[in-house]
Amino acid sequence: QSALTQTPSASGSPGQSVTISCTGTSSDVGDYNYVSWYQQHPGKAPKLLIYGVSKRPSGVPDRFSGSKSGNTASLTVSGLQAEDEADYYCSSYAGSNNFHVVFGGGTKLTVL
Amino acid sequence: QVQLVESGGGVVQPGRSLRLSCAASGITFRNYGMHWVRQAPGKGLEWVAVIWYDGSNKYYADSVKGRFTISRDNSKSTLFLQMNSLRAEDTAVYYCVSWRGDYNYFDYWGQGTLLTVSS
Repeated sequence: QSALTQTPSASGSPGQSVTISCTGTSSDVGDYNYVSWYQQHPGKAPKLLIYGVSKRPSGVPDRFSGSKSGNTASLTVSGLQAEDEADYYCSSYAGSNNFHVVFGGGTKLTVL
Repeated sequence: QVQLVESGGGVVQPGRSLRLSCAASGITFRNYGMHWVRQAPGKGLEWVAVIWYDGSNKYYADSVKGRFTISRDNSKSTLFLQMNSLRAEDTAVYYCVSWRGDYNYFDYWGQGTLLTVSS
């Protein structure tokens, strides 16, 4: 049950775009279109941002978008705003035979 | 409005047991698979356990297998986590989380309950 790999930190200025990557393997990210992304502000519970690689739940701004290529998924935040400063976690479903879900280690996004 | 409210956390000595509860409202609880996800202080998220919507299947992370038991009472819309043989490394905020099986993702999260294992 190895964790997905995320860059520990990312940053950008207000209005800019930043992309956070999440690398897994052919057994998780590469094998399923079931990557999801969560935003967590300090002291708060995580909040769903993206599911099914690129789908946004209602209420999530379209500044947040997701994609996947091979074993790597990406979250792009466009038009950065101060309130986007938070930790971001990716997750991938990895099979039902022996139920398996993995998280990335998280990326701290700083808005400069 | 969906609410998942965890309770039962606290300070416990290594080797002891504790049971967490999660009361759900605003969702048809019996239709949802449910998970426990934990987060050690200053660390990332770690999946702990899942139980199928009807309790028919349960799966655990290797780190808790044989020590933790997930269960549910659909008549009371409540999820449980029985934790035995607790270790210092179990110290974390424990989140109760609902699961959407169409795209396999974590949908609603509780606010979490803190477990501290310390002598």
